[in-house]
Formats: sequence, structure tokens, C-alpha cells
Amino acid sequence: KNEVEQSPQNLTAQEGEFITINCSYSVGISALHWLQQHPGGGIVSLFMLSSGKKKHGRLIATINIQEKHSSLHITASHPRDSAVYICAVPEIQGAQKLVFGQGTRLTINP
Amino acid sequence: DVKVTQSSRYLVKRTGEKVFLECVQDMDHENMFWYRQDPGLGLRLIYFSYDVKMKEKGDIPEGYSVSREKKERFSLILESASTNQTSMYLCASREGEETQYFGPGTRLLVL
Repeated sequence: KNEVEQSPQNLTAQEGEFITINCSYSVGISALHWLQQHPGGGIVSLFMLSSGKKKHGRLIATINIQEKHSSLHITASHPRDSAVYICAVPEIQGAQKLVFGQGTRLTINP
Repeated sequence: DVKVTQSSRYLVKRTGEKVFLECVQDMDHENMFWYRQDPGLGLRLIYFSYDVKMKEKGDIPEGYSVSREKKERFSLILESASTNQTSMYLCASREGEETQYFGPGTRLLVL
């Protein structure tokens, strides 16, 4: 069964800074998910990626399948980016059930 | 856009009550999930359903049951609510290995 580790657990930065959140997993997968949860809010899917890189606005997600590692980057960070970011992978390759990281709590100060 | 809705955003119940949490998705997804989210423990899977009337236990099924009589609806039942079931409950749905969509969550307080 996959195990997921995210780092850092908490991150505080100033507005405008470049942010990187990392995710490592233990078992080969077909796709990895990045999720976002604002304080008191529901969970929104940001990306699902199986190779290379995806970009959506100021958010960029990369994955290295061989290294079993993914990163989420935020360029020109803004206070509204303050949220918990969660990485999730299938329990085993092809599984419907996801295993979730503990999340990274990001705070962007103005 | 996929929409996953949950019957209540906030719920207050008394110990021993039977509690029903309803979840509906509008995209004909095969798979539906119930999670609970607690500070420091992250998301934990309670039950999972891969088809109508089909279910599978997750990591923490004790004290819970589920029902899926129609494809779009997945219900979580707390047979006899206890204070340690106070939590945020999140429903999700997914087609195959595609993106997983979450409902807004139900914050349950058991007194």
C-alpha cells in the first residue's frame, strides 16, 4: 500500500514569493492528485498528473514517476493562496482508493 | 462541471441518535467515497462504493454503515452517534482513475 509524505508541513511566506511543496510516495502509480482546501472550506482538485508538468494560472505541478516525487509550485504567491495543499495517490497502481498526504498548511502574508 | 452535494453543512446531534448523511453526485460516477477529516489526522476513508449496492470498508468503518440504492446517491449512517464521531465528513465521487470531486463537507457535532 502506498505511503505519502509531504514537506514542509507548514510554510509561511511573503506575498510575491515563489512557493514549492513536495510530495513523495512509495509505490508506482498511474497518476497523482494535488488538492486544495481553504480554511473552513471544501476540497478542490487542482491537478491530476501522470507525467511531466501541468500549469494552471500561477500553479505548476510536476511529477517524476521514476523518482516517485511530485512538486507543486506557486509563482507570485498571493494571500488568497493561503490554504492546505494535499497530495494524493492511488493505494496501489490502478486502485480506486486514494491515499492522502498529511497536507501542507501554506500562509501567505501581505 | 461535476457537482457533489451533501445534505447538510452543519449538524448537531445527541449521543445515541441515528444520523443520516446524504451525498448526491450528478455525473454518473461509478465510485463514491465517505471520508472523515480531523485535525492532525488528515483524510481517512470510512467506506467506498464502486457500484449500486456494492460497498467496501475503508480504514475506519467501525460505528458507520452506508447505503447506495441509486448510482447518484451514497448515504452514510451513524447507527448510534457518539461524541468521538464529532468531525468533518466529506463525500467524494470519481469515475475510474480520473479526477476525484469532493462535496462541501458536513460538520457534525455530537453532544
